[in-house]
Amino acid sequence: AQSVTQPDIHITVSEGASLELRCNYSYGATPYLFWYVQSPGQGLQLLLKYFSGDTLVQGIKGFEAEFKRSQSSFNLRKPSVHWSDAAEYFCAVGQYGNKLVFGAGTILRVKS
Amino acid sequence: DTGVSQDPRHKITKRGQNVTFRCDPISEHNRLYWYRQTLGQGPEFLTYFQNEAQLEKSRLLSDRFSAERPKGSFSTLEIQRTEQGDSAMYLCASSLAQGADRGAFFGQGTRLTVV
Repeated sequence: AQSVTQPDIHITVSEGASLELRCNYSYGATPYLFWYVQSPGQGLQLLLKYFSGDTLVQGIKGFEAEFKRSQSSFNLRKPSVHWSDAAEYFCAVGQYGNKLVFGAGTILRVKS
Repeated sequence: DTGVSQDPRHKITKRGQNVTFRCDPISEHNRLYWYRQTLGQGPEFLTYFQNEAQLEKSRLLSDRFSAERPKGSFSTLEIQRTEQGDSAMYLCASSLAQGADRGAFFGQGTRLTVV
């Protein structure tokens, strides 16, 4: 069965510092991988996605993620965090066009 | 493109009452998904449609839940005889079946509170 693990429930970083959010997945075939962001009381916004090709993918808002098949990981990174990045981040795995399986999320807090 | 729209945004209901939520997907999207999200968790898949056909239902979708997409456009999710455990955020998403590699786009959700 597909599953996604986000090991960190909360992460706090200082504004301007770099960020890495971890995501590990379990999937029987080549995965389709996604990162979404959710602000309190809001829906989810797609940050970036990976299907094939270059294992380093660029997304919106300056985020990037790297797919590492050997480690079953798809970690999200940002070189310099802004206060407006404070939100909850979800990693998800899915088949082409079908349902997504989400991790439990990581809450990002940004210190000024 | 106005995005995925959900109505209402919030619903408070008494236990045992029926509730219905509506989702309007992005107009050219032929796939529509329903997810449920409880506090501190990621969204969990409930069901999805391609056009008007309901293609998959999760075992989370008990017989008190029913979803429809009668004309392949908007969808409704009805919960009958609500229970306190139904309190959650109900999220709708849409995508293209072909070109779904662009990912699913989510609405703002409907937050249900059962008292």
